[in-house]
Amino acid sequence: AQSVTQPDIHITVSEGASLELRCNYSYGATPYLFWYVQSPGQGLQLLLKYFSGDTLVQGIKGFEAEFKRSQSSFNLRKPSVHWSDAAEYFCVQNTNAGKSTFGDGTTLTVKP
Amino acid sequence: ETGVTQSPTHLIKTRGQQVTLRCSSQSGHNTVSWYQQALGQGPQFIFQYYREEENGRGNFPPRFSGLQFPNYSSELNVNALELDDSALYLCASSDRNRDFPGGANVLTFGAGSRLTVL
Repeated sequence: AQSVTQPDIHITVSEGASLELRCNYSYGATPYLFWYVQSPGQGLQLLLKYFSGDTLVQGIKGFEAEFKRSQSSFNLRKPSVHWSDAAEYFCVQNTNAGKSTFGDGTTLTVKP
Repeated sequence: ETGVTQSPTHLIKTRGQQVTLRCSSQSGHNTVSWYQQALGQGPQFIFQYYREEENGRGNFPPRFSGLQFPNYSSELNVNALELDDSALYLCASSDRNRDFPGGANVLTFGAGSRLTVL
């Protein structure tokens, strides 16, 4: 069965500092990988996706993620965090059209 | 383009009752998925509908059922409510296109329906 692990339940960073959120996915021949963000009272918003090709993908709001098959990882990064980035972040895997498997999420707090 | 809309936004039920949640998919999308998000957890896949038929189901009992209509909108029905059914229920639409199979995996979510079972 597919599984997605986000090892960090909660991360706190200072505004302007860099950010990396970790994600490990279960092995899949052709994983479709995503990062979504969920702000309080709002729906889940797609940040970026990886289907194939270049392993470094760019997303919205200055986020990027790198796919590393050898490590089964798809970590999310941002060079300089803004206070508005405080939210919950979910890594998602899908290997077929039917089901998306979510990690349990990482809550990001941004210190002024 | 219109996004995904869900109704109601909040509702309170008692154990044993039944509930129906509604979802209007994003314009141009033909597939609807439902997810349950318990407090402090990631969303869990309930099922997906494509061409008005169930197309994949997660680990949820039969008292969770759904429908998709010709206009691609959808309903989630839960019978015999239990306390553990209290959660945020998320609807997501996507475009299952034979020319771009991966498009079915790019989900556009609604804001959810918050169900409380007392």
